[in-house]
Amino acid sequence: ILNVEQSPQSLHVQEGDSTNFTCSFPSSNFYALHWYRWETAKSPEALFVMTLNGDEKKKGRISATLNTKEGYSYLYIKGSQPEDSATYLCAFPYGGATNKLIFGTGTLLAVQP
Amino acid sequence: GAVVSQHPSWVICKSGTSVKIECRSLDFQATTMFWYRQFPKQSLMLMATSNEGSKATYEQGVEKDKFLINHASLTLSTLTVTSAHPEDSSFYICSAPRGRAQETQYFGPGTRLLVL
Repeated sequence: ILNVEQSPQSLHVQEGDSTNFTCSFPSSNFYALHWYRWETAKSPEALFVMTLNGDEKKKGRISATLNTKEGYSYLYIKGSQPEDSATYLCAFPYGGATNKLIFGTGTLLAVQP
Repeated sequence: GAVVSQHPSWVICKSGTSVKIECRSLDFQATTMFWYRQFPKQSLMLMATSNEGSKATYEQGVEKDKFLINHASLTLSTLTVTSAHPEDSSFYICSAPRGRAQETQYFGPGTRLLVL
């Protein structure tokens, strides 16, 4: 059974703090690893699709790294702002299909002003 | 702006009734859409793949006669929860892949269903 795990489950930081969280996934038969950001009452928004071992992607203050050999990805937020408060989800394609995703339970980030 | 819409955003119904949820791609065509369900404190779980012009494919453990999926056009997929019961109360959300490699999923905002 494929399992995608995220930690921590929730995180409270002060505005300006930098933070990071982890996504663990099966290292065999790797195709891609997705990161989404999900604000309350909105649609999940795609952040990154990572495919290459050692890859690092960046979008503003948010960046992600990927280690396919050991099966983990880190998401970093530099200088957190209140608008970064959201649930961050990672997802792993399975079943030979690139679009069928298994999601982790997410990391809920709350940034205090 | 939103590229995938979902309607309704929430619904309360009596046990035994059927509920239809619509998922629309707003400015692109989607031959495939996905339906997920999320119970409290759990992750999004894929229920089924909606295929335009053909039958949906369901994940293991999802009853196809219970959750009817119709993908009649390139921009609309519907999920009907038939004879809903309290245990069907959940958050239902759809997504559609977009882009050259179809890798990026665009999600609707979801539908909260409460069956009394």
